[in-house]
This record gives sequence, structure tokens and C-alpha cells, in this order.
Amino acid sequence: EAGVAQSPRYKIIEKRQSVAFWCNPISGHATLYWYQQILGQGPKLLIQFQNNGVVDDSQLPKDRFSAERLKGVDSTLKIQPAKLEDSAVYLCASSLLGQGLDYGYTFGSGTRLTVV
Amino acid sequence: AQTVTQSQPEMSVQEAETVTLSCTYDTSENNYYLFWYKQPPSRQMILVIRQEAYKQQNATENRFSVNFQKAAKSFSLKISDSQLGDTAMYFCAFLNQGAQKLVFGQGTRLTINP
Repeated sequence: EAGVAQSPRYKIIEKRQSVAFWCNPISGHATLYWYQQILGQGPKLLIQFQNNGVVDDSQLPKDRFSAERLKGVDSTLKIQPAKLEDSAVYLCASSLLGQGLDYGYTFGSGTRLTVV
Repeated sequence: AQTVTQSQPEMSVQEAETVTLSCTYDTSENNYYLFWYKQPPSRQMILVIRQEAYKQQNATENRFSVNFQKAAKSFSLKISDSQLGDTAMYFCAFLNQGAQKLVFGQGTRLTINP
């Protein structure tokens, strides 16, 4: 089966600019996650979707970050305006959690964001 | 809230040696899952092994095995006959069955030397 697709792979922007990341999960996976991984740290959950509804966005900095999952498939994560501390890898993952079929995640290769 | 702690930021061994990565976690839940993920420079998170908390038997996948001590809340990963391709970041992760979200440790950078 095809994996989780993410784009772009790399992005360099200046602070205060905006940026958007795109994720296409594995077909049939109802649950989608965005994680932020700062260099040298483990991934931290930003937001979790079940179909097109938000399950958990408690760690999403809502003053600058937004995310949507239209039609319960693709998702976009946006940062506006970006700060230096937003430099990180943004990982998207999908799973069948909540559908009682599997407890494994499948991760994409991530987008490496550098804010200068 | 669940926390996962990996106390070894970096480890280095010679090819063919055995290496053990440590992980401890904190939870008040009884039903949960534990995972070890490998992250090579390509950044893709690759599942290495997983353990269901209700299972007493330690999970094994080829050269990878775990030592799961539920009472001590410890979950270590043993890599036998290490290979150069095992060089990567390794993350321990916890999944609460109800919350459905992975909580990761800080990671251990493992280097296998020729």
C-alpha cells in the first residue's frame, strides 16, 4: 500500500512569513496526526483528527498554527506568522485507531522547516 | 499525563555487538501499548517492535527484543548482532488505549561502528 505522503520535503522561510504543509494519509485511515519534532527531541503531538473532526489540539499554538482536514482525507498545517522557534520537522501520521483494527501508526517522511 | 524517559542521549557499539537501549514511563493506566521506533536520517519513523501491556511475554522481532517490566514501568530494547544499518535515532513511545495518541521519549542516538 502507498505510504503517508507529505510535501514539501524542505522549506526555508523568513520569520513572520507564512508556510503551509500538506499530508495525504493512507487510504482508509480515519485518524490523522501532526507532530512537531524539534532537533534533538522526540516528536510532540500538535493535533489529532478523527475523519474531519478535531480530537485533540491542546498543544497547538492556536495564535499562529492552524490545521484542517477537509473531507476527512488530506490535511494541511499552516503557520502564520512563523517564528524562529518553529524550526523543526513536521511529521504527519495516520492510523486505524478508533476503527478497532490496528494500533500502529504510519508516518510520512516529514517536512523540515527552517525559519531564518 | 503520561511521560516517557530515555536516559541515554547517545550510544555507540561495534558491529556485531549487542546493545540495550533503556526506557522508563509513567502512567496510571493498566491497558496500554509500548513501541520502539527507529528514525534514520531520512526522517521516516519506522516501527521496530511493539508490546501490549497485558501480555507477560516479551516481544521479539528477529534481532530485536524487549525487556518489559510492567511493575517497574521499564521497557528496554535489545539489539543483537548489531549491523551498520541499525545506526539511527531510536524512540520509545507510549500509547494509551483510550487516548489513541503516541507519547514519545527524547530519543537515543545509536551509532554502530565498523
